[in-house]
Amino acid sequence: QVHLVESGGGLVKPGGSLRLSCAASGFSFSDHYMAWIRQAPGKGPEWISYISSSGATIYYAEAVEGRFTISRDNTKNALFLQMNSLRAEDTAVYYCVRDRYSTYDSWGQGALVAVSS
Amino acid sequence: DIQMTQSPSSLSASVGDRVTITCRATESIGNHYLSWFQQKPGKAPRLLIFAASNLETGVPSRFSGSGSGADFTLTISSLQPEDFATYYCQQTSSVPFTFGGGTSVEIK
Repeated sequence: QVHLVESGGGLVKPGGSLRLSCAASGFSFSDHYMAWIRQAPGKGPEWISYISSSGATIYYAEAVEGRFTISRDNTKNALFLQMNSLRAEDTAVYYCVRDRYSTYDSWGQGALVAVSS
Repeated sequence: DIQMTQSPSSLSASVGDRVTITCRATESIGNHYLSWFQQKPGKAPRLLIFAASNLETGVPSRFSGSGSGADFTLTISSLQPEDFATYYCQQTSSVPFTFGGGTSVEIK
């Protein structure tokens, strides 16, 4: 059974940094593209980044390009999101998501990131 | 960027009703790159339909998807109490992989 568990969320001041982690289990992690999707309070989901199975291909949404960095460690079945220069509008629940042939089929429970002074 | 427009944004329906939600893309995305999700308060989205018309394992058969090109539909054939939730479409044809604005299905 696919299991994705995010950690590292919390309260941070504007301009600060956070690193989210996602521990994956129950599937062959190194065979799958992975993504981060966020959802601001009361809003719909927003795709922010994906990384290919090897890590060689990465894309970002314009809203986070240059501030966020996605990475993975296939030896540890882990996905990461380094978030720098955080803004109030980055406040959201951040989900780690598995890509199955261009479909996001498995989601973690989410990690809450709150950016406030 | 491809914009995804869902309609209606909300609807009220009764148990047993047939419900239809539409999703329109600003350009053709083909059949393979359209998914539908259900989300309940405080929970992560759940995949219902992938590749426009394929039912995800474990999803009740009252859910179905159709469409191609830029126009897609999610249908619930007979609404059940557990189906009251918000539904989103998403395209994965080209980055950024955008979501529709959501359709909230409420109890009449």
